[in-house]
Amino acid sequence: DAGVIQSPRHEVTEMGQEVTLRCKPISGHNSLFWYRQTMMRGLELLIYFNNNVPIDDSGMPEDRFSAKMPNASFSTLKIQPSEPRDSAVYFCASSQANEAFFGQGTRLTVV
Amino acid sequence: AQSVTQLDSQVPVFEEAPVELRCNYSSSVSVYLFWYVQYPNQGLQLLLKYLSGSTLVKGINGFEAEFNKSQTSFHLRKPSVHISDTAEYFCAVSDRGDKIIFGKGTRLHILP
Repeated sequence: DAGVIQSPRHEVTEMGQEVTLRCKPISGHNSLFWYRQTMMRGLELLIYFNNNVPIDDSGMPEDRFSAKMPNASFSTLKIQPSEPRDSAVYFCASSQANEAFFGQGTRLTVV
Repeated sequence: AQSVTQLDSQVPVFEEAPVELRCNYSSSVSVYLFWYVQYPNQGLQLLLKYLSGSTLVKGINGFEAEFNKSQTSFHLRKPSVHISDTAEYFCAVSDRGDKIIFGKGTRLHILP
């Protein structure tokens, strides 16, 4: 398996634009997580899904953020409109048997 | 709710010296505990995990950690570090469900 695949690896966008981050989990994993990493706040859990259903979205910072998992092999995290303070590295992870596997992350820069 | 505290944001250590990275957790239920490593510009990789059984857990790259329930700690150790161990290390806790909460990380600097 190729592991968790995230795209794009880097994204630079202007403030106010919509940004969509994509994730393909490892086949057979039933949980998927979105994390945000910044120097100030460390690694924050934004939302996680189990069997494609959102279980806990308490970490989603505000209504500008939304996440979907339409099927077991794909998830998106959307920011609309984006703001400079959203600049961070966003990680997707999938898990099975109490072990989470991370993607390489998407480095988002909002200017 | 669970939480994880990594007491040191940065730890400098000389090459071939031993190192301990500290981690404390809080939870009202039984937990699973993890250490992950993040090399520059990469995602996190699992070093080791404690699910049950022996409180001393051995992981990859010569690392080990000891679960201490009375002190709610899960400190990571290595007897002799190498320059290639330079990375950020994250302690994490799960309430035996799916949700995994991470600490803020500890940057390990290996000095020549």
